Amino acid sequence: GQNIDQPTEMTATEGAIVQINCTYQTSGFNGLFWYQQHAGEAPTFLSYNVLDGLEEKGRFSSFLSRSKGYSYLLLKELQMKDSASYLCAVVDSNYQLIWGAGTKLIIKP
Amino acid sequence: TAGITQAPTSQILAAGRSMTLRCTQDMRHNAMYWYRQDLGLGLRLIHYSNTAGTTGKGEVPDGYSVSRANTDDFPLTLASAVPSQTSVYFCASSPQSVPAYGYTFGSGTRLTVV
Repeated sequence: GQNIDQPTEMTATEGAIVQINCTYQTSGFNGLFWYQQHAGEAPTFLSYNVLDGLEEKGRFSSFLSRSKGYSYLLLKELQMKDSASYLCAVVDSNYQLIWGAGTKLIIKP
Repeated sequence: TAGITQAPTSQILAAGRSMTLRCTQDMRHNAMYWYRQDLGLGLRLIHYSNTAGTTGKGEVPDGYSVSRANTDDFPLTLASAVPSQTSVYFCASSPQSVPAYGYTFGSGTRLTVV
């Protein structure tokens, strides 16, 4: 079967750095997305990785290792508004998105 | 503002009743999707449409139907609601069926079946 694993919940301090991991086992791989979802709101696009390596976008970076079936989202200089759920999703061989359950990130002052 | 509009925002529905969740986009995206989101689970695909006039079944299609008469609209119908259909429903769209472009999501419909 297809599976996406993420930690259920993480806590970090304002101003710090946090890394949210995602491991996957899917039938094929055609890219990996990270989305941010604030409570009661729609998911919004953060990043898309299809090749190995690190992609940096402001305070957020996303890393992919296809050989390890692994990705992480790195958030720097955490702000209170970063409190949200972070969803990892993999595009499988049929170009369908397989979603993880999401990681709830709690930021403390 | 361009995007996806879902209606209603929330609804309480008696079991056995039918209901249509509306979804309209103004971005001229070819592909549209319906997902349900339940606590502790990832988004699960109900139905999708790669282009106007075509639809397909996702991971959890039972009890739901869709139509795609034009590019902009993609309604989701529950013919006879059951309590297990209590969930938050998200409509999403993408320029093409290959999701590398990313999805744009609507704001969701919170449905409670009692």
